[in-house]
Amino acid sequence: RKEVEQDPGPFNVPEGATVAFNCTYSNSASQSFFWYRQDCRKEPKLLMSVYSSGNEDGRFTAQLNRASQYISLLIRDSKLSDSATYLCVVKGTRDSWGKLQFGAGTQVVVTP
Amino acid sequence: NAGVTQTPKFQVLKTGQSMTLQCAQDMNHNSMYWYRQDPGMGLRLIYYSASEGTTDKGEVPNGYNVSRLNKREFSLRLESAAPSQTSVYFCASSESLPYRSSGNTIYFGEGSWLTVV
Repeated sequence: RKEVEQDPGPFNVPEGATVAFNCTYSNSASQSFFWYRQDCRKEPKLLMSVYSSGNEDGRFTAQLNRASQYISLLIRDSKLSDSATYLCVVKGTRDSWGKLQFGAGTQVVVTP
Repeated sequence: NAGVTQTPKFQVLKTGQSMTLQCAQDMNHNSMYWYRQDPGMGLRLIYYSASEGTTDKGEVPNGYNVSRLNKREFSLRLESAAPSQTSVYFCASSESLPYRSSGNTIYFGEGSWLTVV
C-alpha cells in the first residue's frame, strides 16, 4: 500500500465552480502535511501547508482529518490558471528527519 | 532569481552509457536532494545531502551516485544507464532537513527529462 494516495483525476471543472479532492495517508503518526502544485512539465511548488485547524489561502482551503487520515483541498471560484496537478505531501516520521512522501497527484482541468 | 538550476533539461542515453546531472542552488541552502518522478507515482527520493560534505541514500538509490561538490552544487551520476532509469529527475534544496518541528520549504529545479533506450 502506498503511503500517500490520491485520486489521479482528471477533475474537469467549469470556470467559476468549486472543486474538492482528498488525499489519504497511511502513517497515523504523520505530523506535517502540504499541498504542492505542479504545472505540466514543470517543477512542484509549495501551494500551502495544512494545519490541524484547517487553513485558507485566498480561494484555497485545506483541511486535515486525523481520525480518517486524510487531507483535503478545496478550490473555490476556479480559474483557468488553476489547471495543474496537485500533489499531496506528508512529512514522514520513520527516519531521523521527516522525509517527504509525495502522492502521485490529482489533475485538475478548469474549462472555460 | 535563479533558485535551483539543473542541467541538462533533456537527454537521451543508450543503455550502458554514463552521464551526470548537474545541480546548483544560489539560496545558501544546506540541504540538497535528488528525486525522480515517474507516471502514476509520487516523487521518490534518490539521494540527499544534509549539509556540505555529507550524502545519504534515499528511497531508490540503486544505479546512482552523487557528489556534493560544495555548498552550492550536488550532482547525480548514472554509471551505466538502464531503461528503468527513464524518468524526470528533480534536484531540490532547503535551508536544512525538514525535521519534524521545522518548516523548511523544499525548492525544486525545473527538472531533467532523461530517456534511456
